[in-house]
Amino acid sequence: KQEVTQIPAALSVPEGENLVLNCSFTDSAIYNLQWFRQDPGKGLTSLLLIQSSQREQTSGRLNASLDKSSGRSTLYIAASQPGDSATYLCAVENRDDKIIFGKGTRLHILP
Amino acid sequence: NAGVMQNPRHLVRRRGQEARLRCSPMKGHSHVYWYRQLPEEGLKFMVYLQKENIIDESGMPKERFSAEFPKEGPSILRIQQVVRGDSAAYFCASSPRDNYGYTFGSGTRLTVV
Repeated sequence: KQEVTQIPAALSVPEGENLVLNCSFTDSAIYNLQWFRQDPGKGLTSLLLIQSSQREQTSGRLNASLDKSSGRSTLYIAASQPGDSATYLCAVENRDDKIIFGKGTRLHILP
Repeated sequence: NAGVMQNPRHLVRRRGQEARLRCSPMKGHSHVYWYRQLPEEGLKFMVYLQKENIIDESGMPKERFSAEFPKEGPSILRIQQVVRGDSAAYFCASSPRDNYGYTFGSGTRLTVV
């Protein structure tokens, strides 16, 4: 049974710092891994999608890596801004077409 | 393309009433997924549908919950005889095909009073 774990559960950093969010999963037989952002009381916004054959994806200040064999992904945020404050969710799509979510990392960027 | 549309955004029901949640997938998307998010918990898979077919309903409670995705019209998640424990945010996602990533709607927040 696939399990997705995100560490840390919460993180506060000063504005301008670079930071890394971690995600691990137990079953490496995945189609892809997706990082989402969720603001309080809102829906999910897709940030980056990494296919199982890829090792990383970049979008602006965001970079996500995938090491399928070790069951790990990281989301790197460069030069953090207060607007980056949100909950970041990692999700893997299994071969049975279900996506399994981690519980998220609540990020707070201090102005 | 308007994205995944869910309505209503907020729904209040008394215990014992029925709740109907609607999801219109993105244009061209034939795969629909429903997820539930309880306060302080992660998103839990409920059901996966394609047009006129339930593919996987392993995450959906056996009683009171049902889902459909008809040939025409939105996908419907129906909860009969709601109880307080059904209060949650219900999210719908769609995808054009396997292994293509998901687009989520803004969710329906159900409150049972």
